[in-house]
Amino acid sequence: SQTIHQWPATLVQPVGSPLSLECTVEGTSNPNLYWYRQAAGRGLQLLFYSVGIGQISSEVPQNLSASRPQDRQFILSSKKLLLSDSGFYLCAWSPGVAGAGELFFGEGSRLTVL
Amino acid sequence: GESVGLHLPTLSVQEGDNSIINCAYSNSASDYFIWYKQESGKGPQFIIDIRSNMDKRQGQRVTVLLNKTVKHLSLQIAATQPGDSAVYFCAENGNDYKLSFGAGTTVTVRA
Repeated sequence: SQTIHQWPATLVQPVGSPLSLECTVEGTSNPNLYWYRQAAGRGLQLLFYSVGIGQISSEVPQNLSASRPQDRQFILSSKKLLLSDSGFYLCAWSPGVAGAGELFFGEGSRLTVL
Repeated sequence: GESVGLHLPTLSVQEGDNSIINCAYSNSASDYFIWYKQESGKGPQFIIDIRSNMDKRQGQRVTVLLNKTVKHLSLQIAATQPGDSAVYFCAENGNDYKLSFGAGTTVTVRA
């Protein structure tokens, strides 16, 4: 069966510090991968998605970046965090066919920027 | 779905009653719709889906209704239980690689 892991689960970082959130998927190959952000009490905002190694699509301008160094690994990064980067970050995957289909989410990483 | 970034509407329901959660979607080309449930501090979990060639689909205690004419989606939960308290999101897929999520509805079940 397929599983998705993301870490760390909780992170408190000062403004201006770097960020690295990691996500890995097991039990499938060539998945579509996604990073979403959820601000407190709000909906899900798509940040990045990837349909293959090295292929990253950005949905919103921001100081975050994403990379996919391996087929089942998706990394969310920042060189210098802003207060507005605080939120709940969710990694998700879907089968690598045309169309998103059902998304399977990780448990999330809660980032607090102070 | 509705624009992300809006504050979530709420629904308070008595335990044992039926719940109806509504969602308006924006893309008339969307052909696949999903309802997700998100409990506090966790990632969203799949509840039920429906394709555009259907107008109703039933699961265990849940029913999804799709009205393509008015671009409206609803989730009905029968005999609501305390464990149903969560945020519920609708999502639509317009045949690309992305799901667009609605703003979400917070459901609170009263004992």
